[in-house]
Amino acid sequence: GIQVEQSPPDLILQEGANSTLRCNFSDSVNNLQWFHQNPWGQLINLFYIPSGTKQNGRLSATTVATERYSLLYISSSQTTDSGVYFCAVDNTGFQKLVFGTGTRLLVSP
Amino acid sequence: DGGITQSPKYLFRKEGQNVTLSCEQNLNHDAMYWYRQDPGQGLRLIYYSQIVNDFQKGDIAEGYSVSREKKESFPLTVTSAQKNPTAFYLCASSLDRGQPQHFGDGTRLSIL
Repeated sequence: GIQVEQSPPDLILQEGANSTLRCNFSDSVNNLQWFHQNPWGQLINLFYIPSGTKQNGRLSATTVATERYSLLYISSSQTTDSGVYFCAVDNTGFQKLVFGTGTRLLVSP
Repeated sequence: DGGITQSPKYLFRKEGQNVTLSCEQNLNHDAMYWYRQDPGQGLRLIYYSQIVNDFQKGDIAEGYSVSREKKESFPLTVTSAQKNPTAFYLCASSLDRGQPQHFGDGTRLSIL
């Protein structure tokens, strides 16, 4: 099946810093989503982005489908950005998402 | 408010006991999904359902069962055949194929 790798596995930032999270996948995809899991376990959908670029406030994402990677940019990070960021892909057309192991982000004040 | 409701938030199971986790959505979504998350790991798909009265096995279906009798409900039963059931279980739904999935707040299941 399709493989999803995320990097870096852990990231520590000072409040106000910018960061880039990467997701590589091993096959072409129908769907790619970025999620944020907060410390209480809630999984929040950030972007639905099988290709192209999207922006939502301080967050933006770019997926280059032909090169099989996606990037999540976080600008002017805040302590509330802490948590785990997951990339998930589907290559079946049935929304059977395969998750990476995540990037654990800690933003310190 | 529209959303996905999972209950209970915490559940304890005795050895040899079946337990059922509830997932209800009022988003009028056709598709629903169950995932399992182990500590420090990503989510893995247990079962999914594209329409009422139809469901398919995901990657780790052994020891689990589901039903989809109503569009808004997709309960998951963790049977005694699941030897390592302690995990965080998340339910999701999407409008249909090709649409983003949205998640409930999860149920933490532990073995007594």
